[in-house]
Amino acid sequence: DQQVKQNSPSLSVQEGRISILNCDYTNSMFDYFLWYKKYPAEGPTFLISISSIKDKNEDGRFTVFLNKSAKHLSLHIVPSQPGDSAVYFCAASRTGNQFYFGTGTSLTVIP
Amino acid sequence: ETGVTQSPTHLIKTRGQQVTLRCSSQSGHNTVSWYQQALGQGPQFIFQYYREEENGRGNFPPRFSGLQFPNYSSELNVNALELDDSALYLCASSLNPNTGELFFGEGSRLTVL
Repeated sequence: DQQVKQNSPSLSVQEGRISILNCDYTNSMFDYFLWYKKYPAEGPTFLISISSIKDKNEDGRFTVFLNKSAKHLSLHIVPSQPGDSAVYFCAASRTGNQFYFGTGTSLTVIP
Repeated sequence: ETGVTQSPTHLIKTRGQQVTLRCSSQSGHNTVSWYQQALGQGPQFIFQYYREEENGRGNFPPRFSGLQFPNYSSELNVNALELDDSALYLCASSLNPNTGELFFGEGSRLTVL
């Protein structure tokens, strides 16, 4: 049972434009959400997080939005850069120790 | 500051064998989590160790077991290997059990023939 879903396996964006990656979850008890970035042959790297008491968190070019009523979160990258090309995973937790990951979205930023 | 290191990076086993994967946590981190990532899937939680005790377990059978040592390094053991155990095994350390920021190693890729 996939509790966290990323329905877009891939996304291509022109350099300088906005990248929007989406994630849906089914468990209303989730209270902490994260985004990870993964390059080939490397482990996932933490990017940004948000707790359920917020609806937005911003860190430089990266902003995560949380819509609890829709059980949806999104990651916005503005402006997109070629170095952002990677696989992005969203993850959610209700206990803090077990994270449920989506299947990932492969982002390609075209120069 | 040393990051999370895992060994071996690649290994091949046959069905029915046993495997041990190792992980050194990032300096100052007392919590280690193990995840299995099958091809085309996201990481799936196996279990977490905090101060040498198991602190949560995902939906994996008992033939998946682990240890954490006093220096917070960890092992993942899998007995009676099955073909479906072929995957990338990721170790992640964190400052404490309930923090969200996991620091992942590069993983150990296991192939079961």
